[in-house]
Amino acid sequence: AQSVTQLDSQVPVFEEAPVELRCNYSSSVSVYLFWYVQYPNQGLQLLLKYLSGSTLVESINGFEAEFNKSQTSFHLRKPSVHISDTAEYFCAVSGGAGGTSYGKLTFGQGTILTVHP
Amino acid sequence: GAVVSQHPSRVICKSGTSVKIECRSLDFQATTMFWYRQFPKQSLMLMATSNEGSKATYEQGVEKDKFLINHASLTLSTLTVTSAHPEDSSFYICSATRRVRLSTDTQYFGPGTRLTVL
Repeated sequence: AQSVTQLDSQVPVFEEAPVELRCNYSSSVSVYLFWYVQYPNQGLQLLLKYLSGSTLVESINGFEAEFNKSQTSFHLRKPSVHISDTAEYFCAVSGGAGGTSYGKLTFGQGTILTVHP
Repeated sequence: GAVVSQHPSRVICKSGTSVKIECRSLDFQATTMFWYRQFPKQSLMLMATSNEGSKATYEQGVEKDKFLINHASLTLSTLTVTSAHPEDSSFYICSATRRVRLSTDTQYFGPGTRLTVL
């Protein structure tokens, strides 16, 4: 079985400040890791994903996340946030190749990021 | 590209009636669709996996006779909540994938359907 824990339900920050959204997971098999973002009144959109290779992955809008196997974490960071980053962010895992949870996503509880001017 | 729509966006129904929710992939063929349920302030919970032309695979604890899933074409999957009760009130979300390599495919999510059962 897999589980995902997002440690913060809400994170308020000021514009241009750095932010870290925390995500920890547990799994008995190798995993793929994802961050999804949900803007108000829209569906979830993939922000970035870790499948293999370099443990640091980046999105096109300045977010990055680092896979830390020893700490079973996949924290999301951005050095300087914008008002437009205000959204809810979901961390998710799926089982790696051959796992019983092949292709199925297990989500964390979500973190609401609010960027204040 | 990769747009997924859901209809309706909101629905209110009386207890005991059935409600159908549609999930469509608008610009790609989705061999696999997933149905999720989200309670307030909680995470998305996978209900079932739907493959075109075959029976859906339900997660443990999800009643297949209550939540009927039909994946009739490569662009449409439907979820029917039968004999709805107030405890079925929730936010239902679908996602679709091209299934090139299922484990690494991006899932494209619909905007969700808010069901309220009176």
